[in-house]
Amino acid sequence: GENVEQHPSTLSVQEGDSAVIKCTYSDSASNYFPWYKQELGKGPQLIIDIRSNVGEKKDQRIAVTLNKTAKHFSLHITETQPEDSAVYFCAAGPNTGNQFYFGTGTSLTVIP
Amino acid sequence: DTEVTQTPKHLVMGMTNKKSLKCEQHMGHRAMYWYKQKAKKPPELMFVYSYEKLSINESVPSRFSPECPNSSLLNLHLHALQPEDSALYLCASSQGRNQGGYTFGSGTRLTVV
Repeated sequence: GENVEQHPSTLSVQEGDSAVIKCTYSDSASNYFPWYKQELGKGPQLIIDIRSNVGEKKDQRIAVTLNKTAKHFSLHITETQPEDSAVYFCAAGPNTGNQFYFGTGTSLTVIP
Repeated sequence: DTEVTQTPKHLVMGMTNKKSLKCEQHMGHRAMYWYKQKAKKPPELMFVYSYEKLSINESVPSRFSPECPNSSLLNLHLHALQPEDSALYLCASSQGRNQGGYTFGSGTRLTVV
């Protein structure tokens, strides 16, 4: 099955700086890569996703890049704000099923 | 309606109790999921229902019993749980295969005493 690794496990940045979270995956059949944000006491919320036919996708301050050859993908948050503080999970999975696999999570703290 | 609603939000139950967790969505999604999440860990898949049929059971103990009465509802029946089953139980839904990411509910915080 798929194995998704995520780094770093914790990340602290000053407000206004950028944050980058990286994930690698093992299964070359994976071609869908969502990112989730989980705030304390809430369920994960999809913030951005990318499919393997695209190398980069951007939505306001959030961007995701995908290198399918190297089997890694990254989340970039620019101009971080305190409300970006949360746990972020990457995930990877095939388009042929209903299931994808989560990374181990990154706890992001944005210091005002 | 773009939400997945889970009830109750909190549940404390004894090891001999029987209780049920409920999940509801009205987005027309045809796949629904139960996940278990321990503190500081990613969600772990328990069950997948696709078009109201159980399609994946990730070797979950029989003390957890899922039910999908219709395309909008998903239940998780609990019986004879152990303290180590205490966790956040998350329900999610998606349009189905090749249709994008999940929409998660806020979860039920379960404590087994």
